[in-house]
Amino acid sequence: DAGVIQSPRHEVTEMGQEVTLRCKPISGHNSLFWYRQTMMRGLELLIYFNNNVPIDDSGMPEDRFSAKMPNASFSTLKIQPSEPRDSAVYFCASSLTSGSGADTQYFGPGTRLTVL
Amino acid sequence: AQSVSQHNHHVILSEAASLELGCNYSYGGTVNLFWYVQYPGQHLQLLLKYFSGDPLVKGIKGFEAEFIKSKFSFNLRKPSVQWSDTAEYFCAVNAGRGNNRLAFGKGNQVVVIP
Repeated sequence: DAGVIQSPRHEVTEMGQEVTLRCKPISGHNSLFWYRQTMMRGLELLIYFNNNVPIDDSGMPEDRFSAKMPNASFSTLKIQPSEPRDSAVYFCASSLTSGSGADTQYFGPGTRLTVL
Repeated sequence: AQSVSQHNHHVILSEAASLELGCNYSYGGTVNLFWYVQYPGQHLQLLLKYFSGDPLVKGIKGFEAEFIKSKFSFNLRKPSVQWSDTAEYFCAVNAGRGNNRLAFGKGNQVVVIP
């Protein structure tokens, strides 16, 4: 198995620029999650999709953040415009949801974003 | 919303010592509980999880955790650590059936000295 694939692995950009992070979930998984990890706040769920439909986006910090899942094998997280406080590691995870809530989430390697 | 507390963010111990990491959550209903681990340079991966049945859960690499409902706790233990257990450990909880939203603790950075 290839696992969850994220790109790019590192991104350095300047304040005000648009940033797009990409994720390919494990084939056959039907749920996809975007997390952000910072020293201050730890690992926070931003949004999750089930069968390509956004289910819970209450963690998305503000309108500058948007996420899409056009098909079962691809998702993007976009920040426009980016700000220095967006600097963090962004993780994507996927799972095969059974409805029990006890499903294991499989994480990608993360994208380390630095906004100057 | 659920919250998860992990104390003693940095833990340093010698090989063969015993390890216990505390995890407390704030949610009164049915919960599913997880411990994830991130080894240096690797992805977050599942160590063990509890969703029903025996409250003592065995995981990979000799780890175990005990769910104590009355204490809202899910502490992780390993009787004798190895250098390869150096990693960051995260406790996570979701609010039971049908809820996929995981709340994570801030993690414990564990360093095992050979």
